[in-house]
Amino acid sequence: GAGVSQSPSNKVTEKGKDVELRCDPISGHTALYWYRQSLGQGLEFLIYFQGNSAPDKSGLPSDRFSAERTGGSVSTLTIQRTQQEDSAVYLCASSLFLAGGNYEQYFGPGTRLTVT
Amino acid sequence: GQSLEQPSEVTAVEGAIVQINCTYQTSGFYGLSWYQQHDGGAPTFLSYNGLDGLEETGRFSSFLSRSDSYGYLLLQELQMKDSASYFCAVREDQAGTALIFGKGTTLSVSS
Repeated sequence: GAGVSQSPSNKVTEKGKDVELRCDPISGHTALYWYRQSLGQGLEFLIYFQGNSAPDKSGLPSDRFSAERTGGSVSTLTIQRTQQEDSAVYLCASSLFLAGGNYEQYFGPGTRLTVT
Repeated sequence: GQSLEQPSEVTAVEGAIVQINCTYQTSGFYGLSWYQQHDGGAPTFLSYNGLDGLEETGRFSSFLSRSDSYGYLLLQELQMKDSASYFCAVREDQAGTALIFGKGTTLSVSS
């Protein structure tokens, strides 16, 4: 079946512009995560959605970042007034939600954002 | 605070065995996972330890000691295609929230 897809794969934007990044999770996966990965660094958690519960926004670095998930499926990460430090690869992942045990996360290919 | 420590780089030759260690300090613990990421690619799941001990999957094994807040990934019979970054990651609670990732270990396998 189809994996996690993200669009666009690359985005170059000017400082101060807004950008929207899209994630299509694996069908049936109720949990969706956004991470950010800067060059040579680990993955930094941004936001987590699970079913109809309120999202965990504890990783969002500033109020310029927001995300929504419509219909429990597709998610959009929006960055307003982009800054150069926002340049990174933005990764989306999805997983099943099971009581206990391993929540293996399936990652999309990422969106490489470059702010000039 | 939360922290996961792993070596930044490891080098080895084909056919060798490599162990990548991970020590963690987190507010909660519900399992240690390992992910592999090739250059320019997406992270892919390798293994998970929820309980102490060794988990084996083919050439890869992973170990966990919760009392020591320590785990490792063991890669045997190294192949060139194993050259990648390896991340340990901790889940802090049972509710399925996001993983906390280490900064990754870059493994370079030479012939």
